[in-house]
Amino acid sequence: QQQVKQSPQSLIVQKGGIPIINCAYENTAFDYFPWYQQFPGKGPALLIAIRPDVSEKKEGRFTISFNKSAKQFSLHIMDSQPGDSATYFCAARGTYKYIFGTGTRLKVLA
Amino acid sequence: KAGVTQTPRYLIKTRGQQVTLSCSPISGHRSVSWYQQTPGQGLQFLFEYFSETQRNKGNFPGRFSGRQFSNSRSEMNVSTLELGDSALYLCASSSDGARYEQYFGPGTRLTVT
Repeated sequence: QQQVKQSPQSLIVQKGGIPIINCAYENTAFDYFPWYQQFPGKGPALLIAIRPDVSEKKEGRFTISFNKSAKQFSLHIMDSQPGDSATYFCAARGTYKYIFGTGTRLKVLA
Repeated sequence: KAGVTQTPRYLIKTRGQQVTLSCSPISGHRSVSWYQQTPGQGLQFLFEYFSETQRNKGNFPGRFSGRQFSNSRSEMNVSTLELGDSALYLCASSSDGARYEQYFGPGTRLTVT
């Protein structure tokens, strides 16, 4: 019940494409859902986050779609660029802790 | 505003030794969390501290411990190191007010030989 399942494990898209990364959770007590971007040798960087009372949030080229009834949320990257090539993690906030998905390695081809 | 800082950035230790890692949160942040990141297990929650109190703990053996000081700086300690403890140890801070955003430091890369 504490897991966050993330898919796909890896993703390759052409420049300008729209990669979509999906996450699913079980615990309805989770109250905050961030996405992080991590480059090799760096710590994860907060990209965008959403609360369960909102169905969609956009920040620049990044969009989160949230489906509370299905207990699923996803990250869309519009007009993807080679510089977006990184590992992306979804997460869910429980009681004084975050549960992370297993990560998606994204490669955007030039 | 300065970000989360962690020291040291790299560490090589031998099995059986102990190690202490340090984390300084973003100024004004009172919550500090620690995570272990490995290729096989991903990001695993170790523990969270707020105002010098541990509020939550992950499923790690007692060899892993931590503490937080009155200035919100935090340390984690791993005793009797094992080869499997080799990982990137990440610290994250948040204000723990109405805003939940958590920000990570660059991590400490621990290698146990």
